[in-house]
Parts: sequence; C-alpha cells; structure tokens
Amino acid sequence: DAMVIQNPRYQVTQFGKPVTLSCSQTLNHNVMYWYQQKSSQAPKLLFHYYDKDFNNEADTPDNFQSRRPNTSFCFLDIRSPGLGDAAMYLCATSISMSRGLTNEKLFFGSGTQLSVL
Amino acid sequence: ILNVEQSPQSLHVQEGDSTNFTCSFPSSNFYALHWYRWETAKSPEALFVMTLNGDEKKKGRISATLNTKEGYSYLYIKGSQPEDSATYLCAFHNEKLTFGTGTRLTIIP
Repeated sequence: DAMVIQNPRYQVTQFGKPVTLSCSQTLNHNVMYWYQQKSSQAPKLLFHYYDKDFNNEADTPDNFQSRRPNTSFCFLDIRSPGLGDAAMYLCATSISMSRGLTNEKLFFGSGTQLSVL
Repeated sequence: ILNVEQSPQSLHVQEGDSTNFTCSFPSSNFYALHWYRWETAKSPEALFVMTLNGDEKKKGRISATLNTKEGYSYLYIKGSQPEDSATYLCAFHNEKLTFGTGTRLTIIP
C-alpha cells in the first residue's frame, strides 16, 4: 500500500546531541511537511517542501533544518536538541496543497516521539 | 496568529451513545476545513475536507457540518463504538493548514 513511513517510532537523544528523523513516501506527492506536536498542543508546522523548494515557517527555530534529497525522502535535523524539543514529530504529504488547491487532504506518517535526556 | 479552537478537550461516551464536538475558526479568508482522526500509535487519517458553507459530509456513522460565516464545524458520531476512541483534529486551511488541539474521545464499553 502507498503510504508515509516515519522511522524510528521512538527516538531518544541527549541534550545537545544532533539527531535526524526520517520520512519516506510512496505516494509520489509533491509536498512534504514536518509538524511538531508537544503534549496537549496543536500540531505546529515547522516547514514544508514543494518539490525542491524549501518553505520555512517564520517562527521555526534555526536549530531545526530539513533536507529533501529526492521526491520520496525528507529528513528533519535537530542540530542541538534542547529539553523543549521533546515532542511528537509528524511528517505529512499532499499532492500540491501549498499551491492553492483547496480540496486536498494530508497523508500522515505515524510520527516519531522524540525524548531529550 | 490564527486561532483554531476545539471543544471539549476530552470526552468520555458510553458505547452506543451519540456525541458531537466543535471546531471554531476564523470566518475570513476561508479555503477549507479538515477533520482528521488520530488513533493511538497510528497515523492521523483524514475524515473530511469541507470547502463550502453549509457543507454536510458523512462517512458511515460519522458526519460533519460546516458554517463558514460564523466560523464553526461540528463533528457527529452516531452510536459510538470502541473503535471510535481517538483524538479528532480539525484544521483550518487558508494558505496553510492550522490545527486545533483536538478532542480526545474515549468510548466506554
């Protein structure tokens, strides 16, 4: 089945130690998103790629970076994780929602729960 | 900053009972309103994408209504079953998707 896959399901890292979360998709969608969800809060968009075009949200900390080497894969790099970065990180895709099509939906992975010790 | 609010935050419902919850959003610059169901340890899954004022959508026992002029949407579940236990997220789409904090629904057998 076509899907969005995130690995690992749980990730533990140490304070200040770089960590990379990965996402892959078999849907061949143009757009890939990274959301951060902290406990009891709404999922918050960090950035998205439309093909190779990177779109950063204004309030996303510089500590968070992303790479999309090809259509299928997208990575979230946290350069120096702090305790406040512990959260669920969700990857999602859409065909082209960011370019104005209004009746599309997002396809999500099951998330990576990041703990920072 | 867009405000998308969902209420209640959590809800316990007896199996077989019907229930509903609310999503409120800004009434200007509306593109679409999304509902997602997120079961524990699974991926959030789209239930509905609603674009027109007065839209009503239905999927099995779950339905949703949309009022874009006053900025709210209701999600209804008829005859709740244990498999309906999940967090229900709404998201307001106007240039980008802004999520609410969700309603956590627990069905009591």
